[in-house]
Amino acid sequence: AQKVTQAQTEISVVEKEDVTLDCVYETRDTTYYLFWYKQPPSGELVFLIRRNSFDEQNEISGRYSWNFQKSTSSFNFTITASQVVDSAVYFCALSRKETSGSRLTFGEGTQLTVNP
Amino acid sequence: KAGVTQTPRYLIKTRGQQVTLSCSPISGHRSVSWYQQTPGQGLQFLFEYFSETQRNKGNFPGRFSGRQFSNSRSEMNVSTLELGDSALYLCASSLLLSPDTQYFGPGTRLTVL
Repeated sequence: AQKVTQAQTEISVVEKEDVTLDCVYETRDTTYYLFWYKQPPSGELVFLIRRNSFDEQNEISGRYSWNFQKSTSSFNFTITASQVVDSAVYFCALSRKETSGSRLTFGEGTQLTVNP
Repeated sequence: KAGVTQTPRYLIKTRGQQVTLSCSPISGHRSVSWYQQTPGQGLQFLFEYFSETQRNKGNFPGRFSGRQFSNSRSEMNVSTLELGDSALYLCASSLLLSPDTQYFGPGTRLTVL
């Protein structure tokens, strides 16, 4: 069975602070895929990043960076110099490679509030 | 390119009724998945369709069903609504079947009274 844990239910920071959202996953598969999605108050899940299990390179995209560590089964997300517009719920998700389709297993989500 | 669209955006029904939700995927995407989001259970996978065939199904009762049309548009139906079916229903589309990145629509907020 697959499982994703986001231990931080809520995080509140002041604008321009750096913030890291934690994600720990469990899977018995050797090939799997990790994702981060952002859900603003409007409700739509916005895709941020996808990582394959065989690619442990960290990634940076503007103010966003991701740290993937297979040794600790973690895929953490850091926002540098946070902004009010970053306020949203962030979900980490896991998918396996299946011949008959796929499904995303989501974590519980972390509510990030960035205060001005 | 237009994103995933879902209709209606909001819906209010009473217990025992049935409801049909619609999803139009991103142009060219052939796979459509449905998820239910509730405060208590979080985001849960309902089912996935590809080329008009259900390829994967989550752990939901038979009251939840879906279908996909030849143009990749999808509908999901919930019969005999229960109060617990109140949720945000999200549709996602992907270009391929597995394990391609899924892009989500704005969701349909269903309230069952």
